[in-house]
Amino acid sequence: DAGVTQSPTHLIKTRGQHVTLRCSPISGHKSVSWYQQVLGQGPQFIFQYYEKEERGRGNFPDRFSARQFPNYSSELNVNALLLGDSALYLCASSLPGKNTEAFFGQGTRLTVV
Amino acid sequence: GIQVEQSPPDLILQEGANSTLRCNFSDSVNNLQWFHQNPWGQLINLFYIPSGTKQNGRLSATTVATERYSLLYISSSQTTDSGVYFCAVLNYGGSQGNLIFGKGTKLSVKP
Repeated sequence: DAGVTQSPTHLIKTRGQHVTLRCSPISGHKSVSWYQQVLGQGPQFIFQYYEKEERGRGNFPDRFSARQFPNYSSELNVNALLLGDSALYLCASSLPGKNTEAFFGQGTRLTVV
Repeated sequence: GIQVEQSPPDLILQEGANSTLRCNFSDSVNNLQWFHQNPWGQLINLFYIPSGTKQNGRLSATTVATERYSLLYISSSQTTDSGVYFCAVLNYGGSQGNLIFGKGTKLSVKP
């Protein structure tokens, strides 16, 4: 079975631009979460989606948005990019509930110049 | 919110040595996972261990939920064990939850 897949793997954008990152969960997983990891830190929670609805949001500005599609894949959108948005963006999928294991994709490395 | 602290922040070992990584958390948790992040950024699942002890080859982990800590043991370390090890706990809120990560332990294994 395929694991969590993310695209693209690397991306370079200019300040002020918009970016869309994509994630396909493990087959059968209906919950998708997004995390941002800056250099030297642990991943920070951005969003969680389950059954196409937002179920949780971290402490990120409104420039960050996401959605989940009927096939449970997800997109993370970031508007008006800032240099500080440069980071590794990770997507995780899991079965719903609190006693389930999360599995991560390989990440998208975004560089804002 | 829940605080997760990992120690030590950095660890340098000679190949073949054993090590213990620690994760302390500030509140009761339903879910605890250990990950290894490789140089390309991929988070690899090591253990899902909200309580008890598990072993997988040279790695084992123990979580004592009542005392709010977890330990990851690496025996007979190899150069391929190098990377950053993260502990993450579930912050359960609403109908779902998100993982809270520690800052990680950076392990370097020298040949």
